[in-house]
Amino acid sequence: GEDVEQSLFLSVREGDSSVINCTYTDSSSTYLYWYKQEPGAGLQLLTYIFSNMDMKQDQRLTVLLNKKDKHLSLRIADTQTGDSAIYFCAEADSWGKLQFGAGTQVVVTP
Amino acid sequence: NAGVTQTPKFRVLKTGQSMTLLCAQDMNHEYMYWYRQDPGMGLRLIHYSVGEGTTAKGEVPDGYNVSRLKKQNFLLGLESAAPSQTSVYFCASTGTSGRAWVNEQFFGPGTRLTVL
Repeated sequence: GEDVEQSLFLSVREGDSSVINCTYTDSSSTYLYWYKQEPGAGLQLLTYIFSNMDMKQDQRLTVLLNKKDKHLSLRIADTQTGDSAIYFCAEADSWGKLQFGAGTQVVVTP
Repeated sequence: NAGVTQTPKFRVLKTGQSMTLLCAQDMNHEYMYWYRQDPGMGLRLIHYSVGEGTTAKGEVPDGYNVSRLKKQNFLLGLESAAPSQTSVYFCASTGTSGRAWVNEQFFGPGTRLTVL
């Protein structure tokens, strides 16, 4: 089974905030990532957070990391229709190998 | 820079056929990875390489072989394809800084493989 878990689906209205949650199990993870995948495309790195940080903000994206609970979240402010995609949470080990969650499909409705 | 490229983009094989997927990167990255993506699942690591001439098994290595004869290329081979290997295959690479790898993996566009 997967060591990284995500909810499978999120529906959000355009202009609202989206919050995607992820839990991971490897406490030795060095970096945690959020990737975006649009239909038929490869993975696009959205943002990442180093394991000794609690929060990182990058324009409309805010990443929160709770190391005690091994919980990672991605908040997208002012969600747009172009944000409709599958979002993957991933954790990296010391060799850079990524362990992915199953992905959260985000659907943005007008 | 082309980044990470993959050849071919699509392929249909019959059970038992063999093929090689090519991944190439022009960023002088040390580390390269092969993942597969199946519907409803995240990417799973097949094999990886931390440098020219070295390879290691990932989470799902059975039925695949790899080679890293040149730093810029990482080849994934299927010796005898099976329907269970129908998937989308992604290659990725990442750089290193000293003994530690840096933070971004660059992904190729993927190869969609169907095994009948």
